[in-house]
Amino acid sequence: DAGVIQSPRHEVTEMGQEVTLRCKPISGHDYLFWYRQTMMRGLELLIYFNNNVPIDDSGMPEDRFSAKMPNASFSTLKIQPSEPRDSAVYFCASREDSTNTGELFFGEGSRLTVL
Amino acid sequence: GDSVTQMEGPVTLSEEAFLTINCTYTATGYPSLFWYVQYPGEGLQLLLKATKADDKGSNKGFEATYRKETTSFHLEKGSVQVSDSAVYFCAQGAGSYQLTFGKGTKLSVIP
Repeated sequence: DAGVIQSPRHEVTEMGQEVTLRCKPISGHDYLFWYRQTMMRGLELLIYFNNNVPIDDSGMPEDRFSAKMPNASFSTLKIQPSEPRDSAVYFCASREDSTNTGELFFGEGSRLTVL
Repeated sequence: GDSVTQMEGPVTLSEEAFLTINCTYTATGYPSLFWYVQYPGEGLQLLLKATKADDKGSNKGFEATYRKETTSFHLEKGSVQVSDSAVYFCAQGAGSYQLTFGKGTKLSVIP
């Protein structure tokens, strides 16, 4: 399997612009997670989906952030408008197991820089 | 709420030194415990896990034992290599399908 695929790997944009990050989970995985990683706050869970349905979005920082999963093989995380404090590495992860003993598989991340 | 606390880094060791990275957790139930590793420029990947008290997870020479009495899951390796340089994350999963991660500990191993 190709693993979790994220794009773009790097994005540099200006404040106020819209940013869209994309994720293709591993085929057959029912759960998809979006995390944000910064030096100050570490790894934060933003939102997760089960069978394409958002289950918990309490980690989404504010209304500027939105996430969708239109089908089992694709998800997007959108920031509109972007701000410099959104600069971070955004990870997508997926898993197939419905219990907490299952392994999370991470993509390589999308590094976002907002100027 | 559920949380994970791990020792702050960075940790710098010489090759072949002994490694310990401390991790403690708070949880209302009986969580599964994990160590993930992140190599430079990559995503996190599972290193080892333990699902119940007294279980020992092991992989690539790393070990961690689930200690319910001390709510700990310390990571150890007897002899580190330069290739072990990475960021290590302790995590727990309890009561939901998401994992709670610690802040990570950066390990640098010098020849």
